[in-house]
Parts: sequence; C-alpha cells; structure tokens
Amino acid sequence: GAVVSQHPSRVICKSGTSVKIECRSLDFQATTMFWYRQFPKQSLMLMATSNEGSKATYEQGVEKDKFLINHASLTLSTLTVTSAHPEDSSFYICSAIEAGTLDGYTFGSGTRLTVV
Amino acid sequence: QKEVEQDPGPLSVPEGAIVSLNCTYSNSAFQYFMWYRQYSRKGPELLMYTYSSGNKEDGRFTAQVDKSSKYISLFIRDSQPSDSATYLCAMTLNTGNQFYFGTGTSLTVIP
Repeated sequence: GAVVSQHPSRVICKSGTSVKIECRSLDFQATTMFWYRQFPKQSLMLMATSNEGSKATYEQGVEKDKFLINHASLTLSTLTVTSAHPEDSSFYICSAIEAGTLDGYTFGSGTRLTVV
Repeated sequence: QKEVEQDPGPLSVPEGAIVSLNCTYSNSAFQYFMWYRQYSRKGPELLMYTYSSGNKEDGRFTAQVDKSSKYISLFIRDSQPSDSATYLCAMTLNTGNQFYFGTGTSLTVIP
C-alpha cells in the first residue's frame, strides 16, 4: 500500500528558532499533500494544501509567513515553522494523495513539536 | 455548524462487545466516507471507505452510510484490546478534494 514517511517524529526546539518537517511519499507520486495540526484530544485541523510546483493554499487563520510549505517535487513536501513559539507546540501530520484514488490518501506518522 | 459531528466519547467496552461509532454531517454533496484509526502519537491509518450509500464489510469491521439521514456508522464486532484507539470519520466531495474530519471517538476495549 501507499506509504508516507514523515521526519522527524519528535523535535524539541528553542523559542525563536525554525524547524523543518519533511513529508515524503515513498511508492507513489503525490499530486497533492496536506498539512494538518492536531491538539490533544482534538481532531485534525487542516493548515494548508500544497500541489507540486505551485504555492500552497492556506486555511483561514493560518499564517503563511510562519508556516512555510514547499512542495518541490511529486514525492516531497516540507513544512517549516519559523520563529517558533511555545504555542506552536503541537502534533503536525502530513498526508498525501495519489491522483484518482482514495487508498492513496495516506498519512505520515506525525511530528511532535515542542517549543521550549 | 460543523461540517462533521462526532461524539468524542470516551467509549469503554468489554472485550468481545459490539462497538458502534457514528458521525453526522451537513453537506449533502459528500460522496466518499472514510473511517480512520489513530493510535496515540501516531498518524491516522485508513480502515475502510465507502462510496455513496450502503454497507461495506471488512473482517470484524462494517461501515454503513445513510445519505438520506446524513449519518455514517462503523461497527466493530468481537472487539479486542488492540482495537483501543481513536476512530476518526472523514468525508470528501471527490477524490483529490479536501477531507473533512470528525473530532474522533476514543475507544478503550477492556480485557
């Protein structure tokens, strides 16, 4: 089945620094990748949608200058949290779609970000 | 009104029980309905999906969609402790479109 690899699984960073999270589709070409944020005991909140080679579409209330998304290839999307603050601490999950399928809508394993 | 409503639970059942998980939704245009299982600190994994109305069975799991009532269900038969997780419903208009998720129901199966 489709596999999405997300790295790192856990990161701790100091306030004010930037953190990059990678999302790779390992065995399929992901035309679209989604980035979600999940707070404890809450559902997935869509942050942005990225299509390969074009600018990401951000959901209302998500700061595009703070959460930089790059979808440079059909197998890799990155989320960079810039100038991180403690309130950015959360569980970030990516997912990827292979065009025309639902089985290809696969999630990464998530990244636990802690900003201290 | 949220697009998708799901009772967060928590739900606690004895091993072997039949579990019923449900979601309601407001957008009648949704066509694809999914159930995901998420273990603690892990990404969600797809259990099964259904297109339009009807039932779909996969082992101990049965998904039902009632589009007239805008109501979907996931039944787990002979529940096992390994089924303990959060179950998320999701739905979308079409393949390639944004998914809309429920808040998830936390399930614990007690041995």
